[in-house]
Amino acid sequence: DQQVKQNSPSLSVQEGRISILNCDYTNSMFDYFLWYKKYPAEGPTFLISISSIKDKNEDGRFTVFLNKSAKHLSLHIVPSQPGDSAVYFCAARRMDSSYKLIFGSGTRLLVRP
Amino acid sequence: DAGVIQSPRHEVTEMGQEVTLRCKPISGHNSLFWYRQTMMRGLELLIYFNNNVPIDDSGMPEDRFSAKMPNASFSTLKIQPSEPRDSAVYFCASTPRGGLAGGDTQYFGPGTRLTVL
Repeated sequence: DQQVKQNSPSLSVQEGRISILNCDYTNSMFDYFLWYKKYPAEGPTFLISISSIKDKNEDGRFTVFLNKSAKHLSLHIVPSQPGDSAVYFCAARRMDSSYKLIFGSGTRLLVRP
Repeated sequence: DAGVIQSPRHEVTEMGQEVTLRCKPISGHNSLFWYRQTMMRGLELLIYFNNNVPIDDSGMPEDRFSAKMPNASFSTLKIQPSEPRDSAVYFCASTPRGGLAGGDTQYFGPGTRLTVL
């Protein structure tokens, strides 16, 4: 029972263009969403988050959009850089178990020079 | 500043052997998490400690797995006896406070890659 789904296992983008990573969820109890970035042989590192009371959060080149009615969120990276090449995980938490993150399966982003 | 420290980084063992993974959380953090990452199941929470007390161990797969946190700066995850299906990357993470209130995020260690032959 995958509550957080990242349907695209990989994405390839040209340097300077926009990268859009998508995530869908099924549990309406989720109230906080996060994106983590993972390089090989390292642990995931926090990138950006959004509360369910917002529909957009921006941090430099990274913007996360939340569409609650569609139970969908997306991460936009503009402009994409080769150093952004990594695996990106979407994660969500429920309001009644705020410590517990449910992770998606990840999307591998390759930014081509 | 030192992040979350895990040891060993790689462990290769034979089926039936005991395996102990170690974690040192970030100083001052009072919550610690153990995760397992596999191709089949992705990244899943095994156990959560708050102030050294296990709060949620519902993700521990079976009795062969046990975790302890004897003090605020050290935790272990033990598998006894180990089986080939335990092969995975095990991550430890910590947060400053319990839960994810106020935007706290989980800081992950580099992981231990376990291979059980």
